[in-house]
Amino acid sequence: QSALTQPPSASGSPGQSVTISCTGTSSDVGGYNYVSWYQLHPGKAPKLMIYEVTKRPSGVPERFSGSKSGNTASLTVSGLQAEDEADYYCSSYAGSSKYVFGTGTQVTVL
Amino acid sequence: EVQLVESGGGLVQPGGSLRLSCAASGFTFSTDYMTWVRQAPGKGLEWVSLIYNGGGTHYADSVRGRFTISRDNSKNTLYLQLNSLRAEDTAVYYCARGGAGLSFNYWGQGTLVTVSS
Repeated sequence: QSALTQPPSASGSPGQSVTISCTGTSSDVGGYNYVSWYQLHPGKAPKLMIYEVTKRPSGVPERFSGSKSGNTASLTVSGLQAEDEADYYCSSYAGSSKYVFGTGTQVTVL
Repeated sequence: EVQLVESGGGLVQPGGSLRLSCAASGFTFSTDYMTWVRQAPGKGLEWVSLIYNGGGTHYADSVRGRFTISRDNSKNTLYLQLNSLRAEDTAVYYCARGGAGLSFNYWGQGTLVTVSS
């Protein structure tokens, strides 16, 4: 199972929006509505930000949103804040109780 | 409050073995599926293994036959037995709790496994 493809980096000024893409295949992203997004800050436990493509867990700010079209999922962070600077990983169910993660995107708040 | 605390990492020689533990609290451990995910230095996340509450197990191709996931519901603890370790298994190993929509909704802070002679 190959990793999902994400851009290595993305950036925006405070208040702006940034969108991260996550491209897979019809065997993972395109085949299931089970795409999740995780935020990683150095030295901290990863945090679930989006699940089932578009759903936000309790406590995740509304400025985080997800979408999917075909084999590509996207995470949009609107109204960027300094604390949003982190690494972001997508993940998709890939069938047969297996999962695949994306290559990761480092988001920088300028 | 959900807490997951990994332990058992360390330095091991190629071909060696290690057992990782993940102590869970703050939720009904026995009813949830659990998973292990790793991150090699400077690399991305990689799904490793999953165990359902009923005991069914699944593995990534890269570790199948070498790693064994298990759980002790009486101790609220998840395990990962790592055998025949290789340099490429060097990583921070995270345990995570299965959540809605086949996501992983809570994670530990990880334990570092270094495979080197």
